Amino acid sequence: ETGVTQSPTHLIKTRGQQVTLRCSSQSGHNTVSWYQQALGQGPQFIFQYYREEENGRGNFPPRFSGLQFPNYSSELNVNALELDDSALYLCASSQTPDRLHYGYTFGSGTRLTVV
Amino acid sequence: DAKTTQPTSMDCAEGRAANLPCNHSTISGNEYVYWYRQIHSQGPQYIIHGLKNNETNEMASLIITEDRKSSTLILPHATLRDTAVYYCIVGSGNTGKLIFGQGTTLQVKP
Repeated sequence: ETGVTQSPTHLIKTRGQQVTLRCSSQSGHNTVSWYQQALGQGPQFIFQYYREEENGRGNFPPRFSGLQFPNYSSELNVNALELDDSALYLCASSQTPDRLHYGYTFGSGTRLTVV
Repeated sequence: DAKTTQPTSMDCAEGRAANLPCNHSTISGNEYVYWYRQIHSQGPQYIIHGLKNNETNEMASLIITEDRKSSTLILPHATLRDTAVYYCIVGSGNTGKLIFGQGTTLQVKP
């Protein structure tokens, strides 16, 4: 079984630009969550998607948005990039949206640098 | 905010048991304790979880105190590949959100 794959692995953008990050969930998983991890910090929850609908959101502004597709893959879009958006963006998939017991499978992340 | 407190860093000799403590004094009755670890340049990896009984799997053991206000993750025979940041997380199990704290950086030394 394949794990969670994210693309691209690294990205450099200019302040004010827009970026799209992509995630393919693990086989059999229908829920995708996105996390932002600043350098030296723990990951922070951005939002979760289940059955193509947003199913929970953390304390992030509306310029952070997402999509989930029928094959359960997902995109994270960030508009009007700011320098503080520089971080590792992690995607995690799970079998269900509300049961942490099954564990989350994380991808290796996309390292975004905003200059 | 994270509901857990962990030491910032710990060292362990290779081959010895690594005991990682976690305080969660405000844990409520329906909340579980989860442990994840993050090896450098990778995403977090699920290790183990428990409610009130001690748990063991192929990776680790989880010891939860009777009052559930603290717990210890035990790696029985640490190897150099266990060097990572270990996160202790408290959650109800009925939410899809993991709230990470700062974690403990475990350095396994030869």
